Amino acid sequence: QVQLVESGGGLVKPGGSLRLSCAASGFTFSDYYMNWIRQAPGKGLEWVSYISSSGSTMYYADSVKGRFTISRDNAKISLYLQMNSLRAEDTAVYYCARGSRYSGSLPFDYWGQGTLVTVSS
Amino acid sequence: SYVLTQPPSVSVAPGKTARITCGGNNIGSKTVHWYQQRPGQAPVLVIYYDSDRPSGIPERFSGSNSGNTATLTISRVEAGDEADYYCQVWDSSSDHWVFGGGTKLTVL
Repeated sequence: QVQLVESGGGLVKPGGSLRLSCAASGFTFSDYYMNWIRQAPGKGLEWVSYISSSGSTMYYADSVKGRFTISRDNAKISLYLQMNSLRAEDTAVYYCARGSRYSGSLPFDYWGQGTLVTVSS
Repeated sequence: SYVLTQPPSVSVAPGKTARITCGGNNIGSKTVHWYQQRPGQAPVLVIYYDSDRPSGIPERFSGSNSGNTATLTISRVEAGDEADYYCQVWDSSSDHWVFGGGTKLTVL
């Protein structure tokens, strides 16, 4: 069965960096677009970034552009999110989610359970 | 940027029909997806392409989209349907995914 397991969250000071990972299993990872979505405590969902199946195309929300970098290693069946210059407003649960095999504009059919990032001094 | 507007809350008695709206400028020209998020859990896709149901989602869940409003309809509501519901569209003008603010469904 499809599984997505996020890791790497934790407490970091403002201005610091953190790298999230998402380990995938149960499907041909290299065939699928992948996404990061976050949810601040008590708030709604906010899409963060997506990456194409080959890793050649990435898009970012305006709120993270220039600070976050999405990447993937299809050989290691893993998705990553490098987060730099972290701010208090980046505090959230970060989810990875599977997109489509065909396009980045098709919905997310599987989600991980999320990893909590807390930015605080 | 494209904005999706949802009511913060909807309440419905068990066995009745709940309708959750998602407003956006000419949203009928876009494809809308809906997610259910129960407390403490990850979101689950319940409707895609406006009105299609993934396997395992009960037929009680349906969707429509026209004009400036998309609607998620849950028939014969059960206590287990109590959750937050989010609509989502792809904004091709910005190459961004957009989520609505979410609607908390309360089963009375």
